[in-house]
Amino acid sequence: NAGVMQNPRHLVRRRGQEARLRCSPMKGHSHVYWYRQLPEEGLKFMVYLQKENIIDESGMPKERFSAEFPKEGPSILRIQQVVRGDSAAYFCASSPLAGGIFAGTDTQYFGPGTRLTVL
Amino acid sequence: GESVGLHLPTLSVQEGDNSIINCAYSNSASDYFIWYKQESGKGPQFIIDIRSNMDKRQGQRVTVLLNKTVKHLSLQIAATQPGDSAVYFCAERGRNNDMRFGAGTRLTVKP
Repeated sequence: NAGVMQNPRHLVRRRGQEARLRCSPMKGHSHVYWYRQLPEEGLKFMVYLQKENIIDESGMPKERFSAEFPKEGPSILRIQQVVRGDSAAYFCASSPLAGGIFAGTDTQYFGPGTRLTVL
Repeated sequence: GESVGLHLPTLSVQEGDNSIINCAYSNSASDYFIWYKQESGKGPQFIIDIRSNMDKRQGQRVTVLLNKTVKHLSLQIAATQPGDSAVYFCAERGRNNDMRFGAGTRLTVKP
């Protein structure tokens, strides 16, 4: 069972360009989470998606950022008109269930991340 | 060696010693916690979890302790090895099963 896949692993963009980050969850997982990590900091939650639905986007900036998880294909995190402050590592995690206190399978599994550098 | 809270983000221990990494969490209603290990250039890797109805859980060479009274979590690593060198994060589950991460502690193991 392949783990969470993310691509590209490294992405370089100039200010004003668009960045598209892809995440393929583990097989059988229908819940995807995106996180951002700045150097020497912890991961910050951005958005939680299920297939074709955004459940919680409270951690995602209102402008320039969007996310989708279509019925077919990977989840996409899109950053329009990138600025230097967008430079970070972006991680995707997937889980099979939405949660539940005693669910044994609500652990999130993380991908290797995409490192975005904005010049 | 021991680190206290998040004010000492670096912990250096001798190979073979036990390590203790501490973490304070914010939400008294949190019911699920995970310790993650993150090596340079990689994503967080699950180490061990604990639910709020427990105060201790043991894995292979690792033990997590939960003190709900003071909202404190600790990770104990027995017989620390060079391969344990990494940044360790505690995380508490948010309302949508998203994980809320602490700032992390960098563990360095000296041979």
